[in-house]
Amino acid sequence: RKEVEQDPGPFNVPEGATVAFNCTYSNSASQSFFWYRQDCRKEPKLLMSVYSSGNEDGRFTAQLNRASQYISLLIRDSKLSDSATYLCAQTDSNYQLIWGAGTKLIIKP
Amino acid sequence: EAQVTQNPRYLITVTGKKLTVTCSQNMNHEYMSWYRQDPGLGLRQIYYSMNVEVTDKGDVPEGYKVSRKEKRNFPLILESPSPNQTSLYFCASSLLTEGEAFFGQGTRLTVV
Repeated sequence: RKEVEQDPGPFNVPEGATVAFNCTYSNSASQSFFWYRQDCRKEPKLLMSVYSSGNEDGRFTAQLNRASQYISLLIRDSKLSDSATYLCAQTDSNYQLIWGAGTKLIIKP
Repeated sequence: EAQVTQNPRYLITVTGKKLTVTCSQNMNHEYMSWYRQDPGLGLRQIYYSMNVEVTDKGDVPEGYKVSRKEKRNFPLILESPSPNQTSLYFCASSLLTEGEAFFGQGTRLTVV
């Protein structure tokens, strides 16, 4: 089993809709969790860190569920510019980043 | 401006011709790593370094070498490139205890 798993998608979503992704992980000793955004053929960029209490940044909300070992990303009022691949990542006990393979999101007008 | 700089951005080479992809960061990060990204496979770590003169293999190290003689630089060396090393390569750096990674713009390598 992969350490970090994501649904690869693509998720085709109409503009303005709310979309949510989950990312499951197997290493319960994980220290930190992140969501990254990657545009086609570009480098990944940090979207949000994920805290135990959950955190929100504008239209984006990230949550961590340690009991069920998953993190989630919710995007409200989706925009065409939200089209990208979303990567989740976690650090292990040695601070190494473990990556999911990414979920592709396509927002349609 | 805080950044990770990779060069070259694009490279087409022939099988067996040694090449080096450079990576430099200006954030004084201890941790640096190299990834390759192939369709459907996500980011796979090639090598990483936790500090100067400390390097370790990642998940797919075969056919690659690295060095970390200075904190800011972490070059990736392909001694004898082969077509299966055709890929998109990313260098990344981070503070060791924070995890947030900063990526270079990527190097698209084609080996023919």
